[in-house]
Amino acid sequence: QVQLVQSGAEVKKPGASVKVSCKASGYTFTTYAIHWVRQAPGQGLEWMGWINTGSGDTTYSQKFQGRVTITRDTSASTAYMELSSLRSEDTAVYYCAKEAYGSGRNWFDPWGQGTLVTVSS
Amino acid sequence: DIQMTQSPSSLSASVGDRLTITCRASQFINRYLNWYQQKPGKAPKLLIFAASSLQSGVPSRFSGGGSETDFTLTISSLQPEDFATYFCQQTYSTPFTFGGGTKVEIK
Repeated sequence: QVQLVQSGAEVKKPGASVKVSCKASGYTFTTYAIHWVRQAPGQGLEWMGWINTGSGDTTYSQKFQGRVTITRDTSASTAYMELSSLRSEDTAVYYCAKEAYGSGRNWFDPWGQGTLVTVSS
Repeated sequence: DIQMTQSPSSLSASVGDRLTITCRASQFINRYLNWYQQKPGKAPKLLIFAASSLQSGVPSRFSGGGSETDFTLTISSLQPEDFATYFCQQTYSTPFTFGGGTKVEIK
């Protein structure tokens, strides 16, 4: 079955960087894009960006431009999201999600299990 | 950016109730509208895509409707496992924005 498995929880100090991985299985990795979404404690969902896993092209939310880098390793069927210059407001659960599409529309399915990143001094 | 406004933000309901959640986009999104269910400590799960298409494996008591800027998620007969938070999402243009969520609680 199609599955995304993310790396484990991280604790980082302000100013540091974090890199979260998302390993895909059950489908051809380079056929579908991977998106990254975060959710601060008790808050809603915030889209961060996506990667075309075939070409490696990326698009980022303006909010995170300059701080986020999404990459992929096709040989490992894994996508990565690195966020730099961390601050306390970046404490959140970070999700990857596989893009699916049909009839000219697109949606996210499935999602990874989430990775909690805690930023604290 | 396209703003997605969900209402209500929370509601209390009983098993067997029919309920409708609404989602309004700040501009035309041509049915690029998806609905997700999220339970505490879990990742979101896709329920409805392209405004009205039911995801495989999702019970038929869930349905979606609407077009242009106004959309609805309806649960025809609420079941105990449906108590969760529901989010709408537009994928018409980046950034792909989400509604603020509707928390459905037991009355």
